[in-house]
Amino acid sequence: EVHLLESGGGLVQPGGSLRLSCAASGFTFNNYAMSWVRQAPGEGLEWVSAIGGSGAGTYYADSVKGRFTISRDNSKNTLYLQMNSLRAEDTAVYYCAKDPDYSNYFDYWGQGTLVTVSS
Amino acid sequence: DIQMTQSPSSLSASVGDRVTITCRAGQIISSYLNWYQQKPGKAPDLLIYAASSLQSGVPSRFSGSGSGTDFTLTIMSLQPEDFGTYYCQQSYSAPWTFGQGTKVEIK
Repeated sequence: EVHLLESGGGLVQPGGSLRLSCAASGFTFNNYAMSWVRQAPGEGLEWVSAIGGSGAGTYYADSVKGRFTISRDNSKNTLYLQMNSLRAEDTAVYYCAKDPDYSNYFDYWGQGTLVTVSS
Repeated sequence: DIQMTQSPSSLSASVGDRVTITCRAGQIISSYLNWYQQKPGKAPDLLIYAASSLQSGVPSRFSGSGSGTDFTLTIMSLQPEDFGTYYCQQSYSAPWTFGQGTKVEIK
């Protein structure tokens, strides 16, 4: 059974940094692209970043480009999102999501981790 | 970026009703359109991919249609557990964008 478990969320001041993790199990992790998708309180879904199975290709939404870095450690079956220069508008639940076959949609999602950027 | 527009923003329907949600893309996206259901406090669940393919385990009362710019999600006979917010998402070109959501309530 596929399982994705995010961690690392919390309260951070504007301008601060945070690193999210997503532990994956139940599938061959390095065979699949992974993404981060976020949802601000009471709002819709926003794709944030994606990474290929080998980690070679990375992609970002314009809203986070230059501030966020996606990475993965395939030996640990773990996806990461390093978030720097955080802004109030980055406040959201962050989900990691699995891409079934490099088709750029998401067949499995984690339960999410809340990031709150506030002073 | 490709803008995705859903209608209606919300609806209320009775058990057994046929429900239709529409999604329009800002440019032609072929059949690169996916649908998700999200219940309050939970992660989204994939319902339909590639416009009309039913995700494994999803009840057959859900169906998708369309291509180009106009797409439809249909729930043939609404069930009590179908409440939630439904999102469309294009997978044609990055950044992968979502519609604003359609909230479905059960009367």
